[in-house]
Amino acid sequence: RKEVEQDPGPFNVPEGATVAFNCTYSNSASQSFFWYRQDCRKEPKLLMSVYSSGNEDGRFTAQLNRASQYISLLIRDSKLSDSATYLCVVNSGGYQKVTFGTGTKLQVIP
Amino acid sequence: DGGITQSPKYLFRKEGQNVTLSCEQNLNHDAMYWYRQDPGQGLRLIYYSQIVNDFQKGDIAEGYSVSREKKESFPLTVTSAQKNPTAFYLCASSTPGRLNTGELFFGEGSRLTVL
Repeated sequence: RKEVEQDPGPFNVPEGATVAFNCTYSNSASQSFFWYRQDCRKEPKLLMSVYSSGNEDGRFTAQLNRASQYISLLIRDSKLSDSATYLCVVNSGGYQKVTFGTGTKLQVIP
Repeated sequence: DGGITQSPKYLFRKEGQNVTLSCEQNLNHDAMYWYRQDPGQGLRLIYYSQIVNDFQKGDIAEGYSVSREKKESFPLTVTSAQKNPTAFYLCASSTPGRLNTGELFFGEGSRLTVL
């Protein structure tokens, strides 16, 4: 089983739609969780951290379920500019323990 | 403006040649990393360095070498021993506190193609 697993997509959604991605992780000792955004042929950039109680940043909501070992990202009112690949990142402790998922591709359609 | 600069952005190399990718940061970060990204795969850690004059192998270090003679600089050499060097290479940096918050700062990447 991969340490971090994501559905690669693509998720094709119309503008204004709500879309959700999940990411599962295998290491129950994982300490911190994040979502990064990566545009085509560009570097990844931190989108948001994922806190145990769930957190929201504008149209984006991140949640953590430690019991089932997954995190989720919800995007409301999708914009064309949201089209990108969303990477799930898990830190199991230490510099070498940051693991990236393969990413979920989102395409928002006019 | 502070940031991470990678060069070159695009590089073509013949088989059997070594090539060095540059990574410079002016963020005063202690830790620096090299990742490799292939289509359909997540970022994989090649090498990382927590402090000057020290570095550690990541998950896929074979065929690569690094140095950390200055805090600002962490060059990566792709040697001829690397069997599949064509990839997108990303350099990143962080501080311990920032790593706990997931904040890795990435350069724009170097795309290496072996002909």
